[in-house]
Amino acid sequence: SQTIHQWPATLVQPVGSPLSLECTVEGTSNPNLYWYRQAAGRGLQLLFYSVGIGQISSEVPQNLSASRPQDRQFILSSKKLLLSDSGFYLCAWNPGGYEQYFGPGTRLTVT
Amino acid sequence: EDKVVQSPLSLVVHEGDTVTLNCSYEVTNFRSLLWYKQEKKAPTFLFMLTSSGIEKKSGRLSSILDKKELFSILNITATQTGDSAVYLCAVGRSGGGADGLTFGKGTHLIIQP
Repeated sequence: SQTIHQWPATLVQPVGSPLSLECTVEGTSNPNLYWYRQAAGRGLQLLFYSVGIGQISSEVPQNLSASRPQDRQFILSSKKLLLSDSGFYLCAWNPGGYEQYFGPGTRLTVT
Repeated sequence: EDKVVQSPLSLVVHEGDTVTLNCSYEVTNFRSLLWYKQEKKAPTFLFMLTSSGIEKKSGRLSSILDKKELFSILNITATQTGDSAVYLCAVGRSGGGADGLTFGKGTHLIIQP
């Protein structure tokens, strides 16, 4: 069966520091992968999606970037965090249909 | 811009009551509507609807889509305290499924014993 992992589970970072969040999927190959952010009082917002290695589509302009160095690995990064980057970051995958399945999430607090 | 609006934003009922959650949408090239349940952590998938008028059912939960009027409802009968959660509605665009989902803000449902 397929499993999606995210780490770290929680993170507290100062403003201006770099960020790297990792997502990996097991038990499948060539999944579509997604990064979402859920900020307090707001809905889930799609940040990036990827249909294959090295292929990244950005939905919202911001100081975040994403990379997909391996088939089942998706990384969310920032060179300098802002206070507004605080939120719950969720990685999701789908095997090619329309259903998406979410990882456990990373709760990021920027201080 | 794609838009998903859920109502009510919050709802408090007693155990055993039946609830109806609403989701309306405006999406270019609509392909699917999905319902998720979120309890503090990651959303868990409940239903996906693509065809109008066909009810999806799982235990006490059911959902139906009206593509003409651009809305969906999620019904929960005989509610239990374990049904307390945020229920999220999302829509998917055409594009082979690769495009991400557009989510509403959710309905925060509280079931009182």
